Amino acid sequence: DTEVTQTPKHLVMGMTNKKSLKCEQHMGHRAMYWYKQKAKKPPELMFVYSYEKLSINESVPSRFSPECPNSSLLNLHLHALQPEDSALYLCASSLSNTGDTDTQYFGPGTRLTVL
Amino acid sequence: GESVGLHLPTLSVQEGDNSIINCAYSNSASDYFIWYKQESGKGPQFIIDIRSNMDKRQGQRVTVLLNKTVKHLSLQIAATQPGDSAGYFCAEKSGGSNYKLTFGKGTLLTVNP
Repeated sequence: DTEVTQTPKHLVMGMTNKKSLKCEQHMGHRAMYWYKQKAKKPPELMFVYSYEKLSINESVPSRFSPECPNSSLLNLHLHALQPEDSALYLCASSLSNTGDTDTQYFGPGTRLTVL
Repeated sequence: GESVGLHLPTLSVQEGDNSIINCAYSNSASDYFIWYKQESGKGPQFIIDIRSNMDKRQGQRVTVLLNKTVKHLSLQIAATQPGDSAGYFCAEKSGGSNYKLTFGKGTLLTVNP
């Protein structure tokens, strides 16, 4: 089973709202990732968690706040977003991110619209 | 900075033909590459990967070729089917330990019946 699940599938929020995106995997993977993808563009890395610790932050604005409560869950807390933050938010996981060739498996994404 | 890029943004083929999607990379230190397929409204799906100590790797109906001399990667799809219509992205691993993937621009493949 190489399934990464994400909820919700779609989210519409105002610029003053606070919401959270959730990601879950039960493959025993110890690295989890958040990506942002705009239409017809490749995914762009936002955050990497390795063994529940934040290891990479790609200079993401503080209105995006990641959290890794345990090895199976990854959250992305959203606050005071801008319309340009509207995008597909993808979660991925891999066995680790310190291995030689650890494949990343992606979830279906959350389609976020900021009004 | 260094990046992965693609030669063609769109590719249209007839059903049953072979498809070739190309990707150029600029980081000579990259040692691992992945091809992903992404259907509309879905997340990227792993297709095949290759390490830099290999020139070729084959899967089911797909072959990845790596030419390190010219820093070029290609994905060949045999007997292309309508279900192959999707976006295709190459990605390269960078950063050594604690690595991250950098994605290329992507190619949209359309298979005509």
